[in-house]
Amino acid sequence: QQPVQSPQAVILREGEDAVINCSSSKALYSVHWYRQKHGEAPVFLMILLKGGEQKGHEKISASFNEKKQQSSLYLTASQLSYSGTYFCGTENDFGNEKLTFGTGTRLTIIP
Amino acid sequence: DGGITQSPKYLFRKEGQNVTLSCEQNLNHDAMYWYRQDPGQGLRLIYYSQIVNDFQKGDIAEGYSVSREKKESFPLTVTSAQKNPTAFYLCASSIHRDTTYEQYFGPGTRLTVT
Repeated sequence: QQPVQSPQAVILREGEDAVINCSSSKALYSVHWYRQKHGEAPVFLMILLKGGEQKGHEKISASFNEKKQQSSLYLTASQLSYSGTYFCGTENDFGNEKLTFGTGTRLTIIP
Repeated sequence: DGGITQSPKYLFRKEGQNVTLSCEQNLNHDAMYWYRQDPGQGLRLIYYSQIVNDFQKGDIAEGYSVSREKKESFPLTVTSAQKNPTAFYLCASSIHRDTTYEQYFGPGTRLTVT
């Protein structure tokens, strides 16, 4: 079943913070985050594994709560380049190398 | 430079024709994938292959076929049985990292069927 992302869309001014959530009804082994610009391929951001690991990537970080089957992506002091649609891809507990993607969160950063 | 190439970038076909989308990677990745993306939607898995000469159906395999005769290549055929073939098609490949894997995408092929 497809993970649920929230919010569906958000508009921020440059420098503001955002949180994007990804929730699954199934047990998860890992969560993968991607950003896609319009008309382009998704770009890999980071992976989070079971264990509540929090990762960082410049001003973009994420957490994974395996008990809640939920991951959150944090964007701090957003830049114009952060605009795009963010997708989470979830891997089920069996680790079968198959991702199920959410419907995405469209992030728009305005000057 | 290593990467995933998909060709062509744009493809137009008449209804009732089969069409094959190319996907090649020189990253030496074992696994390859095909996804379909419709406007405003997420990515849906069509087929995937974890090893040469083997592949599995994804969530929306009906009307599609694939082959994996070489590690570097994973072509997708959209058959006339696919009822709504117009979409953005993305190929991906993955590499193992410790206990998980990282999946990388090609630039995509936008298919329009009229």
